[in-house]
Amino acid sequence: GQNIDQPTEMTATEGAIVQINCTYQTSGFNGLFWYQQHAGEAPTFLSYNVLDGLEEKGRFSSFLSRSKGYSYLLLKELQMKDSASYLCAVRDSNYQLIWGAGTKLIIKP
Amino acid sequence: DADVTQTPRNRITKTGKRIMLECSQTKGHDRMYWYRQDPGLGLQLIYYSFDVKDINKGEISDGYSVSRQAQAKFSLSLESAIPNQTALYFCATSDSGGAYEQYFGPGTRLTVT
Repeated sequence: GQNIDQPTEMTATEGAIVQINCTYQTSGFNGLFWYQQHAGEAPTFLSYNVLDGLEEKGRFSSFLSRSKGYSYLLLKELQMKDSASYLCAVRDSNYQLIWGAGTKLIIKP
Repeated sequence: DADVTQTPRNRITKTGKRIMLECSQTKGHDRMYWYRQDPGLGLQLIYYSFDVKDINKGEISDGYSVSRQAQAKFSLSLESAIPNQTALYFCATSDSGGAYEQYFGPGTRLTVT
């Protein structure tokens, strides 16, 4: 079956760096997405990786290793507003998104 | 104005009632999706539509039906609501070009008593 694993919850300190991991087993691979979702709100797109390597976008970076079925989202200079859930999703061979359950990130002052 | 809108935003209904959730978008996207989200679970795809005449079942379509009235409108119906359909429902859109990232509406919180 198809499976995406992420930690359920992580805690980090304001100003620090945190890495959120995502491992996947899917029927085919056509790209990996990271979304941010604040409690009770809609998910918003953060990043997209289809080739191996690091994509950097401001304070956020996302890494992909297709051979390992692995990705991470790196958040630098954490701010209180980064407290949210981070969703990993993989587009499979049918071009459907398979979603992980999300990682709830708690930022402490 | 929001690019993807959903109505209603909140709804409480009783078991056995028919209910319709509506989604409209001004992004000009051809693809539209309906998801449900339950606490602790990932987003689950209910139905998706790649254009007005193309509608497909997702992983959890039982108990739901959809209608794509126009490129900009995609509605979800629960023919006979049951309590385990209590969830947060999201509509999303994407373009057929590019990376196909999805843009989500604000969600409808549905409670079935």
